[in-house]
Amino acid sequence: AQTVTQSQPEMSVQEAETVTLSCTYDTSESNYYLFWYKQPPSRQMILVIRQEAYKQQNATENRFSVNFQKAAKSFSLKISDSQLGDTAMYFCAFMNINAGNNRKLIWGLGTSLAVNP
Amino acid sequence: DGGITQSPKYLFRKEGQNVTLSCEQNLNHDAMYWYRQDPGQGLRLIYYSQIVNDFQKGDIAEGYSVSREKKESFPLTVTSAQKNPTAFYLCASSNAVNNQPQHFGDGTRLSIL
Repeated sequence: AQTVTQSQPEMSVQEAETVTLSCTYDTSESNYYLFWYKQPPSRQMILVIRQEAYKQQNATENRFSVNFQKAAKSFSLKISDSQLGDTAMYFCAFMNINAGNNRKLIWGLGTSLAVNP
Repeated sequence: DGGITQSPKYLFRKEGQNVTLSCEQNLNHDAMYWYRQDPGQGLRLIYYSQIVNDFQKGDIAEGYSVSREKKESFPLTVTSAQKNPTAFYLCASSNAVNNQPQHFGDGTRLSIL
C-alpha cells in the first residue's frame, strides 16, 4: 500500500524568505502523480502544484517549485519570497494512475506553515 | 463560473438523526469524492464515485451513505450509526479520465447538538 509522510508538523518563515516543506512517499508503482495542496484558514483546499512521475523536470508555478527525487521517493515543496498569504496547511498527496477505478489520492498529514511579518 | 458547491456551510445534528450534506459540481467531472477532516489531521476518504450510479467505499465509510443519481450531484448522508460525526467535510471532483487533479468545495462543518 502507498503511504505519504510529511515529517514537519509545523514550520515558520520570515516574510520574503524561502522555505522548503518535506514529503516522502512509499510505493512500488512507477507511474503516478504527486501533488501539493494548500489549505488556508478559510479551509478551502487549493492545488498548488502537480508533478508527473515520468517527467524528470521539476514542476514550477511562480514562487512555488518542487524537488522531485524519484529514486529517493522524495517530493519537497520550495516557496520562494514567502508572503503572508502563504500561511496555511500544506498537504502532499500521491495518486497511482494505474489503479483503474481505484485512482484515489493518498494524503500526508500536513505541515502547518506560518509566514511571519 | 465553474466550480463545486457544498451546502450548508454549517450543520448541526441531534442525537439519532440522519443529516445530508449536499455537493454539486458544474465542471462536467466524472469522479466525485467525500473526505472527512478532523482537527490537526489529514484528509480521510469516506466514499468516491467514478461514474453515475456507481460508488465505492473509502477508508472510513461506516456510518455514512451516498448516492450518485446525477453526474453533477453526490450527496453524503451522515447516519445515526456514525457515533462521532463532528468534523469538517470536503467534497471534491476530478476529470479522472485525464488524471486531472481534484478540485474542492468550501466544505461543511458538522457539529453535534
